Parts: sequence; structure tokens; C-alpha cells
Amino acid sequence: GDSVTQMEGPVTLSEEAFLTINCTYTATGYPSLFWYVQYPGEGLQLLLKATKADDKGSNKGFEATYRKETTSFHLEKGSVQVSDSAVYFCALSEDKLIFGTGTRLQVFP
Amino acid sequence: NAGVTQTPKFQVLKTGQSMTLQCAQDMNHEYMSWYRQDPGMGLRLIHYSVGAGITDQGEVPNGYNVSRSTTEDFPLRLLSAAPSQTSVYFCASSYSLASGTSTDTQYFGPGTRLTVL
Repeated sequence: GDSVTQMEGPVTLSEEAFLTINCTYTATGYPSLFWYVQYPGEGLQLLLKATKADDKGSNKGFEATYRKETTSFHLEKGSVQVSDSAVYFCALSEDKLIFGTGTRLQVFP
Repeated sequence: NAGVTQTPKFQVLKTGQSMTLQCAQDMNHEYMSWYRQDPGMGLRLIHYSVGAGITDQGEVPNGYNVSRSTTEDFPLRLLSAAPSQTSVYFCASSYSLASGTSTDTQYFGPGTRLTVL
């Protein structure tokens, strides 16, 4: 069945460092791919999405490219801030939304 | 728009008690779903609905019931609570599940933290 695998955390970075969180997926069809973010004590918010191969989703300085050949959707940001500290979930959607296990990002000043 | 609302925010139950977690959305979304979030396991789908009067099971449906009598509301019922149901529960909604479209983005409520003693 469909599945999402993302790197385990926590990822610990200093402010202004470069961020990559890896995400790979398995799907039978052509899913949409998402990154959701969960700030402490809150629900999930959509960060970005891509609906077809080679699409790049971007928001708040984060970006991810839908790579069909490597079945990946890695999240990147060039310069992280303390306010980016949160849990990040990769997900895919075909007939249901399937999540990865989440990666906690901690950014220190 | 209020978006997706959930009540209560926190709840403590004793084993064997029943309760209903409420979820409502005001975006006229057809698709609604319930997830539970447990440490190290991400979010797992409990039940979902593709429209009023239609519900189906997700990955972990045992111990939970749902109904969808209106487009707006999708309550989750625990018939006899067990400690294994201690979790954070999220409700979500979207226009559709048609992948590859702009309408499949799901919007989440703030969550209900449930503890079963």
C-alpha cells in the first residue's frame, strides 16, 4: 500500500543554518504531496504542496520539489529561524491522506 | 470562517466510560476525517466520510464510531474507553480527495487531548 518515510529527528540547527528534511514515498498512482507543520500545542497547518511531477511547492522560505524518478519530496530552507522550531510531517494523498511519522526541528539562537 | 472546530480541548475519562468528540466545519467541505496522533507514529486515520450519510473505516477504526448526518458535523464516539485510546485526536476536512487537484488540501482542527485512566 501507499506509504511515506521521512527522516527521524530531532534535527537540531543553529539559526541561519540550511535545512533539509528527507521524505520518500511509495504510491501506486499519482498522488499529491504535502508538507504540514505542527507548532507546539497546535494542530497541523499546510506548509506547502505539489500536485504533479516536477512541481515545486514553496511557502515562508521553505520549498520542496516533487521528484517522481526518485519518489522524493525533500523539504529545504536556506536559513532557518528559531520560530521554525516545530514538527514537520510529509504526506501524500490519493484516496486517503497518509502521513510520515514526523520530524522535530529545533533551532537555537 | 471559523474553519474546523473541535470540542472539548482536553478530556479525562475512566476506563469503560463513553464520550463523543465533536467536530464541525463551516467551509462546505464534503470530505471529513478523524486522526489520532501518538508519539513516534505520526497521524493515523480512524474514520472518514466523503459526504453526508457516508462513512468508512480508516487504518485504526476499532473502538470508535462515527456518523455524518450533516455536511458540517462529524462526531467521533468512544463507546467504552480504554487506556490504549489515550491520544491526541484531530479532525480534518477538505473539498475532495481528487489527488492532483487544488481541492485535496486538508484543513485540521486544533485537536482534543484525551487521557483514559
